[in-house]
Amino acid sequence: QKEVEQNSGPLSVPEGAIASLNCTYSDRGSQSFFWYRQYSGKSPELIMSIYSNGDKEDGRFTAQLNKASQYVSLLIRDSQPSDSATYLCAVLNTGGFKTIFGAGTRLFVKA
Amino acid sequence: EAQVTQNPRYLITVTGKKLTVTCSQNMNHEYMSWYRQDPGLGLRQIYYSMNVEVTDKGDVPEGYKVSRKEKRNFPLILESPSPNQTSLYFCASALGGSAPEAFFGQGTRLTVV
Repeated sequence: QKEVEQNSGPLSVPEGAIASLNCTYSDRGSQSFFWYRQYSGKSPELIMSIYSNGDKEDGRFTAQLNKASQYVSLLIRDSQPSDSATYLCAVLNTGGFKTIFGAGTRLFVKA
Repeated sequence: EAQVTQNPRYLITVTGKKLTVTCSQNMNHEYMSWYRQDPGLGLRQIYYSMNVEVTDKGDVPEGYKVSRKEKRNFPLILESPSPNQTSLYFCASALGGSAPEAFFGQGTRLTVV
C-alpha cells in the first residue's frame, strides 16, 4: 500500500462545475496535510494546507480532512480552464520532517 | 523576490561522471529538501536538511549525497550517476517545523546516458 494514494485521473469537468479531488494516507499519526498544484513543466505550488478535521475554505478552494478515515479532499468550485493541472496531495509524517507526496491527479477543465 | 534557485535547469551527462546540482534560497529558511519526480511515481524525497550541518535521508537516498554548510545552499551531488537517475529534480525550502515546503525551485531535468 502506498503511503499517500490519489486517483491518477484524468478527471475531466466542464467549466463552472465543482472538481473533487481525493487522497488517502496510511500514517495515522500524520498531522499536516497539503495540496499542491503543478502545471505541466512547472514546479509545484502550495494552494491549501489543513491541520484539523473539517473544512477549510480559501476562495474557490475547499480542503476537507477526516483523520478517522485518513482521507483528505480538495474541492474546486466554479472550475476554470486555468485550473487544468496536476494536483498533488502531500502529508507530513508523524515525525514532522518528511513530506510524502501522492502521485497526483490530473484535472482537465473543459471550456 | 523570495525564491529558490536551482542550477542547471537541464543537464545531459554520461554514466559515472560526477555532477552537482546547486540549490540556493534567499528566505533564510531552515528546512530544505530534494525531490525527484518520475511519471506515475510523483515526488519522492531524496534528502532533507533541518538546519546547517543537519541532514537526513528521505525515501530514495541511494546514489545521492548532500551537504548543508550554509543556511542558504543545499547542493545535490551524484558521485557516479547511472541511467536510473534520469529524472526531474526539485529543491524546496520551508520555514521549518511543521511548515510545508512552500517554495520549490524551477526544477532540473537530468538525463544520464
